[in-house]
Amino acid sequence: AQTVTQSQPEMSVQEAETVTLSCTYDTSESDYYLFWYKQPPSRQMILVIRQEAYKQQNATENRFSVNFQKAAKSFSLKISDSQLGDAAMYFCAYRSLGYKLSFGAGTTVTVRA
Amino acid sequence: DTAVSQTPKYLVTQMGNDKSIKCEQNLGHDTMYWYKQDSKKFLKIMFSYNNKELIINETVPNRFSPKSPDKAHLNLHINSLELGDSAVYFCASSQSGSQFNEQFFGPGTRLTVL
Repeated sequence: AQTVTQSQPEMSVQEAETVTLSCTYDTSESDYYLFWYKQPPSRQMILVIRQEAYKQQNATENRFSVNFQKAAKSFSLKISDSQLGDAAMYFCAYRSLGYKLSFGAGTTVTVRA
Repeated sequence: DTAVSQTPKYLVTQMGNDKSIKCEQNLGHDTMYWYKQDSKKFLKIMFSYNNKELIINETVPNRFSPKSPDKAHLNLHINSLELGDSAVYFCASSQSGSQFNEQFFGPGTRLTVL
């Protein structure tokens, strides 16, 4: 079974600053997909960004970008110009070529005004 | 124009009761899922249906029974509710064969068993 590890239970960032969330995963497969989901206090799960393993180029979505290191099995999320609305729990998730999505334990991001 | 909807959003019930949670998606997807998020916020897949066929059935007590009457609906029935069943249950859907097969989540149902 795939394991997704988020080693930072909590992170705090000043508004307008940058924060990086770490995620590592364990897999023996060469092709797979990685995702970051955001869960604000409303508890709605929102897809933030996604990455295919066979694409070396790091994905970017506005202020959100990833640093995908396939050999190191690392998939970190960078939030630039942090806003108060970014405060949420962030989950890293892995999916092989099948259907099953495996989640990390989550990182709670607090944004200080 | 809600994409994935769940009813009810909150459910409070007594131990031993039977309850159901309903899920509907209007995205035209062919795959639906049930996840459980426990009190520590850990999310785990429970079941998945593709074109009304069960494709994922994780180690879940057989008191939990999913039912998919059609591709747009996936319901979860729970018999003999226990205290440990208290959690948030999320429904999700995706389209198989799409590039990322990304999953879209419903708003969740918070189940509290007293």
